[in-house]
Amino acid sequence: DAKTTQPPSMDCAEGRAANLPCNHSTISGNEYVYWYRQIHSQGPQYIIHGLKNNETNEMASLIITEDRKSSTLILPHATLRDTAVYYCIVKTSGTYKYIFGTGTRLKVLA
Amino acid sequence: EADIYQTPRYLVIGTGKKITLECSQTMGHDKMYWYQQDPGMELHLIHYSYGVNSTEKGDLSSESTVSRIRTEHFPLTLESARPSHTSQYLCASSVGGLGDYGYTFGSGTRLTVV
Repeated sequence: DAKTTQPPSMDCAEGRAANLPCNHSTISGNEYVYWYRQIHSQGPQYIIHGLKNNETNEMASLIITEDRKSSTLILPHATLRDTAVYYCIVKTSGTYKYIFGTGTRLKVLA
Repeated sequence: EADIYQTPRYLVIGTGKKITLECSQTMGHDKMYWYQQDPGMELHLIHYSYGVNSTEKGDLSSESTVSRIRTEHFPLTLESARPSHTSQYLCASSVGGLGDYGYTFGSGTRLTVV
């Protein structure tokens, strides 16, 4: 599976959009990009995933560049409850194991 | 509403004791996983199962063992607990498949061995 690189930490003002970047320059054609978050020490929570098209759900939007070498998770209106560690993971279709990296620690400020 | 349950949430136990961490899911997922996570650190896959009677070791070596006799149940056992086993243990399940909708995680068991 391709490796991912994320900034270790980010701050965002409450009510503003939080844009979390992820680099996956060695991604292959059949590898999906997944995003999870972990609030405090709870189990990680699935947010969104995509292959090459941009995706949106009730939690977030995922923007994948045309060359697929990077992506951005967007939380459109961050709240204090969005403070968490956000993980970007690349997973090959047909394999079921995730490799969690160190993620980005997002702090939403009041 | 949790569809994957881990018990106990917290466990403090003495060195040398045998312990079993329970994980059950009601979603009919065929794939289940155990991750270990020290405070503030990365999650490491220690065991996984792709179905009944199927278990595999993960990327991080662990002295624990697992079993998968029923689809919904994936317990983890430590035969002789040691202080080095102190950690949080997270169980997850998934359906798998093309562009699957990821893992569902339990709330975890925080284990302290004294």
